[in-house]
Amino acid sequence: AQKVTQTQTSISVVEKTTVTMDCVYETRDSSYFLFWYKQTASGEIVFLIRQDSYKKENATVGHYSLNFQKPKSSIGLIITATQIEDSAVYFCAMREGGSWQLIFGSGTQLTVMP
Amino acid sequence: ETAVFQTPNYHVTQVGNEVSFNCKQTLGHDTMYWYKQDSKKLLKIMFSYNNKQLIVNETVPRRFSPQSSDKAHLNLRIKSVEPEDSAVYLCASSSGNSDYTFGSGTRLLVI
Repeated sequence: AQKVTQTQTSISVVEKTTVTMDCVYETRDSSYFLFWYKQTASGEIVFLIRQDSYKKENATVGHYSLNFQKPKSSIGLIITATQIEDSAVYFCAMREGGSWQLIFGSGTQLTVMP
Repeated sequence: ETAVFQTPNYHVTQVGNEVSFNCKQTLGHDTMYWYKQDSKKLLKIMFSYNNKQLIVNETVPRRFSPQSSDKAHLNLRIKSVEPEDSAVYLCASSSGNSDYTFGSGTRLLVI
């Protein structure tokens, strides 16, 4: 069965620094899709970035990038030059190739301080 | 505007009542979902609806039922709500292997 684990409950950083959020996943499927979402204080859930299992190159979108370590079943999210408005809960999620379910981790609360 | 729209934003009801939440997507996606987010922010998938095929998470109580008129709409009905149903209910949609787009959620409070 698929499972997503985020062990960091909360992280605090000073703005303009770089932060990394950890995520490990479990799957028996050779094809799967990994996602990171952000939930703002208003409750809105926004898609940030994805990594498809067959792609070796780490995905990058704006100031978000991924550290995909397939042998370790790990997909870390890196945010560079953090801004106050990056403060939110960040969710890692996975969907197996043949599955209907997008399964989420428990989330990491990021607080960016001035 | 293309997005996932949910109504109402907030609903308060008493134990035993029936409630219904609406969800509409204008993204042209072929699959819609309902998620439940509890007070600890845990997101749990409840249902998936695609081409008139409904897939139910086996842990969802029978008092919950999705209702769809077409692929752009997926409503959620709860018969006889219970206190543990208090949560935020999030509707989402996707197409193929795309990412999921979420609505803004409906917060339910059962008193």
